Amino acid sequence: GEDVEQSLFLSVREGDSSVINCTYTDSSSTYLYWYKQEPGAGLQLLTYIFSNMDMKQDQRLTVLLNKKDKHLSLRIADTQTGDSAIYFCAEDDNNNDMRFGAGTRLTVKP
Amino acid sequence: DAGVTQSPTHLIKTRGQQVTLRCSPKSGHDTVSWYQQALGQGPQFIFQYYEEEERQRGNFPDRFSGHQFPNYSSELNVNALLLGDSALYLCASRQIGKGNYGYTFGSGTRLTVV
Repeated sequence: GEDVEQSLFLSVREGDSSVINCTYTDSSSTYLYWYKQEPGAGLQLLTYIFSNMDMKQDQRLTVLLNKKDKHLSLRIADTQTGDSAIYFCAEDDNNNDMRFGAGTRLTVKP
Repeated sequence: DAGVTQSPTHLIKTRGQQVTLRCSPKSGHDTVSWYQQALGQGPQFIFQYYEEEERQRGNFPDRFSGHQFPNYSSELNVNALLLGDSALYLCASRQIGKGNYGYTFGSGTRLTVV
């Protein structure tokens, strides 16, 4: 089947912006999500965007949605070492549950 | 206020055995979903329970079964374990009627099959 795709790794310097990209599969998804997973922990919902929106901003986080290209991005401004984690993109699927990408491991260097 | 609680946190089983994982949802939540997260992968949806019934199911074999109790807690059972069943099993809960953005995830049970 089709997959939600993400690049696997991203490395940035502390204080820079991070941009994590995702290509999703289902144009009928109602919502798209960004989750964060730290070592040994479950998933933490960072933010989500309704499919009829182009952009959503929440403090240091900005989500951009391009429905035509099925492209979703997450920008983290002023990235800190505490932002080091794995970030998952997810979409609603036909089961009314979620389909996840494989995750992008963000490393923030001091 | 406790979130989603899963037990045990770690488990080692032998191939061919059976395992039961447990989940207590967040207070006020009535819907429970289970996910399997293999190493280096994103979570994959196993099934969802509401009102003690399986409502939705992902692409998993019948060896994976579940149950939801009247207090909304849930169990995931896996029979005839395979090495490939080694993974982090995540439970997530929400209120029915809320979208998937309402999910709260537990920290998971790490299952190792040897």
